[in-house]
Order: sequence, then structure tokens, then C-alpha cells
Amino acid sequence: AQSVTQLGSHVSVSEGALVLLRCNYSSSVPPYLFWYVQYPNQGLQLLLKYTTGATLVKGINGFEAEFKKSETSFHLTKPSAHMSDAAEYFCAVTQGSSNTGKLIFGQGTTLQVKP
Amino acid sequence: SAVISQKPSRDICQRGTSLTIQCQVDSQVTMMFWYRQQPGQSLTLIATANQGSEATYESGFVIDKFPISRPNLTFSTLTVSNMSPEDSSIYLCSVDLQGDGRGYTFGSGTRLTVV
Repeated sequence: AQSVTQLGSHVSVSEGALVLLRCNYSSSVPPYLFWYVQYPNQGLQLLLKYTTGATLVKGINGFEAEFKKSETSFHLTKPSAHMSDAAEYFCAVTQGSSNTGKLIFGQGTTLQVKP
Repeated sequence: SAVISQKPSRDICQRGTSLTIQCQVDSQVTMMFWYRQQPGQSLTLIATANQGSEATYESGFVIDKFPISRPNLTFSTLTVSNMSPEDSSIYLCSVDLQGDGRGYTFGSGTRLTVV
């Protein structure tokens, strides 16, 4: 069965500092991997995704993530945090090309950005 | 890109009553998905709705409690029946716009409070 683990339910960084949100997954088939962001009282917005091809993917708002198959990881990074990045971040996985349409979500990481 | 409209955006309901949530997509999609996000929690898939067939429910969710309709390729409803305070959650619909597991988009959600 697939699962997603996000290490750290809360991450706090200073404005301008590196953002690193960790995501590890388990999957018996090559997965599709996603990062979503949820701002307070809003729905989910797709930040970026990995399906095939280049393992370093760039998303919106300066975020990027690297798919590392050997480490079963898909960590999200941003070189310099901005106050507007404060939100809840979710990593999610599907069964790739064997897709059943079911997204499995991690527990989420709350990012706090301090001035 | 396609737009997903969900309504109501929020509601406060009395226990024992039912609420029907609507999800409208401005393009035709094969599958529509309904998720629940309990307070402070991640997202859990309730069911998958295909046009012309009964919805497929995930473990822990039953049709009597969460009946779903899918009358056409652009619309679906989720009803939360006989509500209790434990049903207070955000309910989100999602579609795979690309139809291949690569393009999941979410509605803005319905924030339900049961009193």
C-alpha cells in the first residue's frame, strides 16, 4: 500500500532563509508525486508535480522539489522564504501510470515564516 | 485552465440535518473525487464518482452517510446526511483534468460546522 510521511508537522524559518519541507513515500509502482499548498480558509493549490522525466521539478512561487528514487523522497525547497509562504503544505502520491485516481496525502506541514 | 466551482463555501448546520454540496467543472471529466479534511488534519478520500455508475467509497465511508450523485460529466454532489458535530470538516471536490493521473485540481472547499 502507498503511504506518505511528512517529517515535521511544523517548520519555522526566518524570512529570507532556506525552506526545506521533507516528504518520503512508499509505493510498489513508480509514483506520481505532488506538493500542494493550502492558505488559511482556502482550498488546495498545486505547487509542483513529478510524473516522469527530469527529477528536479520547478513549481510556482519559487519552489522546487527533487525526486530521489533511491531515497524514496520528494523534498520541497525554496532558497529564500517570504512572509507570504506561511501556509500548510501537503505532499501527495498516486500510483503513477497504474493510476486509480486516488491521491494519498501526507499529514501536512505548517510553515511559519518569522520576520 | 479549467475551473472547479464548489458551493456552498461554508455553512453552519444543525445536528440531524443533511447538507448537499455541489461541485461544477467547466470541462468534462471522467472521474470526480470527494475528500474530507477534518480540523487540523490532512485530506482523506471519501469516494470516487463516475458518471453513469455508483460511486466507489473508501474504507470507513458509506453511501447512506455520504450519498453522491454524478448526473453528467461536469457535475457532482455530495450529501452529508444526519449530521453530527464529528462531521464538521472541510469537504473538497477534485478532478483529474488531464485524465491520466497528472492533473489533480481542487475546488475551494466547503467549510461545514455542525452545531
